[in-house]
Amino acid sequence: NAGVMQNPRHLVRRRGQEARLRCSPMKGHSHVYWYRQLPEEGLKFMVYLQKENIIDESGMPKERFSAEFPKEGPSILRIQQVVRGDSAAYFCASSPPQGGSTGELFFGEGSRLTVL
Amino acid sequence: TQLLEQSPQFLSIQEGENLTVYCNSSSVFSSLQWYRQEPGEGPVLLVTVVTGGEVKKLKRLTFQFGDARKDSSLHITAAQPGDTGLYLCAGDMEYGNKLVFGAGTILRVKS
Repeated sequence: NAGVMQNPRHLVRRRGQEARLRCSPMKGHSHVYWYRQLPEEGLKFMVYLQKENIIDESGMPKERFSAEFPKEGPSILRIQQVVRGDSAAYFCASSPPQGGSTGELFFGEGSRLTVL
Repeated sequence: TQLLEQSPQFLSIQEGENLTVYCNSSSVFSSLQWYRQEPGEGPVLLVTVVTGGEVKKLKRLTFQFGDARKDSSLHITAAQPGDTGLYLCAGDMEYGNKLVFGAGTILRVKS
């Protein structure tokens, strides 16, 4: 399967713990996006990364959230000191290098975080 | 406030009926995509429209992009239970930088 791979699919954390969500983009894709989705709602943009660079983090909460996309390995969305309001589905998407692109994204199946 | 307003939010219809979902904005988009999402899965791209006034057909689904590239519609003919899902429109304002999503339309087709 050459699609976008996310893990874990489900993650349960207690308040105050840390959550790490991983995303491997499609082969040949160098752009990664993270979105958050609450039940029966659309997706909210969080951050857009290229290898070793954060391009746009305008949707990231100012505290406790961080993202990286290292030269080697998957992109990671890290949430420190989780609170119940962080419970949501987190989707990663990837796209090929830009250049006349129409902005189509290819999504993973998501990581569902539950904070107890 | 949502940059992209989708309507209706919920739609429950009988198999065989037709329906239209709308996606409206006051902003201009370089392109607009429609996605379908099933419970527990990620959104799957259905179509991308780029040119104002463009109409694309995908079997029983017809997508239209407004002349001013501010709105779009999705029309489904003779809906089937397999069409059930969350339909999301997403607009690209920055030529591939990031997408802005509508809140979605939950469609349920009863047999």
